[in-house]
Amino acid sequence: GQQLNQSPQSMFIQEGEDVSMNCTSSSIFNTWLWYKQDPGEGPVLLIALYKAGELTSNGRLTAQFGITRKDSFLNISASIPSDVGIYFCAGLSPGIQGAQKLVFGQGTRLTINP
Amino acid sequence: NAGVTQTPKFQVLKTGQSMTLQCAQDMNHNSMYWYRQDPGMGLRLIYYSASEGTTDKGEVPNGYNVSRLNKREFSLRLESAAPSQTSVYFCASTLTGEAFFGQGTRLTVV
Repeated sequence: GQQLNQSPQSMFIQEGEDVSMNCTSSSIFNTWLWYKQDPGEGPVLLIALYKAGELTSNGRLTAQFGITRKDSFLNISASIPSDVGIYFCAGLSPGIQGAQKLVFGQGTRLTINP
Repeated sequence: NAGVTQTPKFQVLKTGQSMTLQCAQDMNHNSMYWYRQDPGMGLRLIYYSASEGTTDKGEVPNGYNVSRLNKREFSLRLESAAPSQTSVYFCASTLTGEAFFGQGTRLTVV
């Protein structure tokens, strides 16, 4: 089945540092999404990417849709304590009967030392 | 605007019991999804649905059934719960790709 390989699995950084994480797949996706999950909550959408090569920013977050449609990265600049959490990439691809199949990476757990 | 609503939030079952997890969305989305999340792991797709009356298997469908009776609601049923189904279950919906999630159902099977 489709698999998204997300790395790194965890990161321990100092406040103010930049963060970079990425996802790769052997499958092509039509849409790449990046989510953040806080403890006890459902994932919350950060950035959505719809076209190969697309580079999109949301405040201190920047994400890109790889040109091959098989990868994406997320950068966080000047990290702050509220950035702590688990970040997931997700890929959306056509399924049967018109359904869009949405699969997730394993997540990157971000810890920030003040 | 409620978004995606899941019930119940918490549930404890005995092995062999059955139950249905409910999910409803008020955003007029076509596609809906059920995931399970285990400690230290990502979200694994159980089943998904493109529209009323259609469902497809995801990565881990064994032991589960789903029902999409109308556009708003997508339910997940465990016919005979097993301890391996202890997990947090999330429902999500999307129209064009930006999926929105419910708050989750924490299920423990003893």
